[in-house]
Amino acid sequence: EAQVTQNPRYLITVTGKKLTVTCSQNMNHEYMSWYRQDPGLGLRQIYYSMNVEVTDKGDVPEGYKVSRKEKRNFPLILESPSPNQTSLYFCASSVERRDNEQFFGPGTRLTVL
Amino acid sequence: TQLLEQSPQFLSIQEGENLTVYCNSSSVFSSLQWYRQEPGEGPVLLVTVVTGGEVKKLKRLTFQFGDARKDSSLHITAAQPGDTGLYLCAGASSGGSYIPTFGRGTSLIVHP
Repeated sequence: EAQVTQNPRYLITVTGKKLTVTCSQNMNHEYMSWYRQDPGLGLRQIYYSMNVEVTDKGDVPEGYKVSRKEKRNFPLILESPSPNQTSLYFCASSVERRDNEQFFGPGTRLTVL
Repeated sequence: TQLLEQSPQFLSIQEGENLTVYCNSSSVFSSLQWYRQEPGEGPVLLVTVVTGGEVKKLKRLTFQFGDARKDSSLHITAAQPGDTGLYLCAGASSGGSYIPTFGRGTSLIVHP
């Protein structure tokens, strides 16, 4: 089944404790991205990747890191999480960015205390 | 960053009613997509419109892209409880940006 998977689905952590949210897709998509979704603010792109070893900042990259060592994986790293990073995070992938359909993962709800 | 304004933000209607959701911008988009998101899940694409003035139909849903490619609308005829969800519009910049712009969403509840 074609899908985007994220882990964990739920995470409660404390300020400053490094964490990684994994994202994997099995559709051989070149383009992958991370979004955060906050009430009243909608979906905002954090980082995106056009292909292996190619990443770039989205609208709200501060406090986040990403890597793209393999085509299928695109982990999101929070080196020192803060409470303002409490949010619902989505990973997405597509054959190409822009006009093509983005396939979203099920989301990771992160709470930083 | 380009802005996409969605209206209304919330909509609560009875089964069988019609509704229209709007997505407006002052910027031109090369294409515009509509997604639906259900609680606990990621958004799922409903349609992509790319040509100014284009109208697409998906069963009881009708999507229209404005002639100037700055706005779009989603019309649902005879809404059903299964239509309940968050509807998001997303635009791809005509200027070559790799960052899609999402509207804040319209939360629709259809009561039986």
